[in-house]
Amino acid sequence: AQTVTQSQPEMSVQEAETVTLSCTYDTSESDYYLFWYKQPPSRQMILVIRQEAYKQQNATENRFSVNFQKAAKSFSLKISDSQLGDAAMYFCGNTGTASKLTFGTGTRLQVTL
Amino acid sequence: DVKVTQSSRYLVKRTGEKVFLECVQDMDHENMFWYRQDPGLGLRLIYFSYDVKMKEKGDIPEGYSVSREKKERFSLILESASTNQTSMYLCASSLSGGQENTIYFGEGSWLTVV
Repeated sequence: AQTVTQSQPEMSVQEAETVTLSCTYDTSESDYYLFWYKQPPSRQMILVIRQEAYKQQNATENRFSVNFQKAAKSFSLKISDSQLGDAAMYFCGNTGTASKLTFGTGTRLQVTL
Repeated sequence: DVKVTQSSRYLVKRTGEKVFLECVQDMDHENMFWYRQDPGLGLRLIYFSYDVKMKEKGDIPEGYSVSREKKERFSLILESASTNQTSMYLCASSLSGGQENTIYFGEGSWLTVV
């Protein structure tokens, strides 16, 4: 069974600062993927970043990067140089070979001036 | 660009009605999913399908059924809608296994059951 835990219901960051969103997971799969999705007020789910579990190198996408600690089953998202447009719900997800994606309960990120 | 289309964005139905939520994807994806999203609960998987006519229960299948007669279309059915099924429903699709495992989502269907 797969579980994903996001322990921060809400976070706040000032514009141009850096924020880290936490995620821990549990899985019995040996080969799996981890995702961060962003959901703005429009409710459209947007892929932010993806990490293959077999890769040791942390994924990065422009201002977004992850800290993947496989042994600790931790997958945190770091947003650098935060912008107003980063304000959204962020969901961490885990999928295994069956492609079934399990999500956490989400973290609402506020970006202040 | 992958497109996942949910034809009904906003629906209001009465208790006991049969409700169909339709989802179509245009990228020949094998996998399709139905989630519901509720405040504080995140996204919970209702059903998924990895091939035509194949389906698997997700975490909360009770009160729902699905149909996948064609590869591109995955329907969620509420046989007898109840007020606790008022929610936002998200459809998604992905390729099977391999290197491309990203899941693509539709825009969501808001269902209110009165």
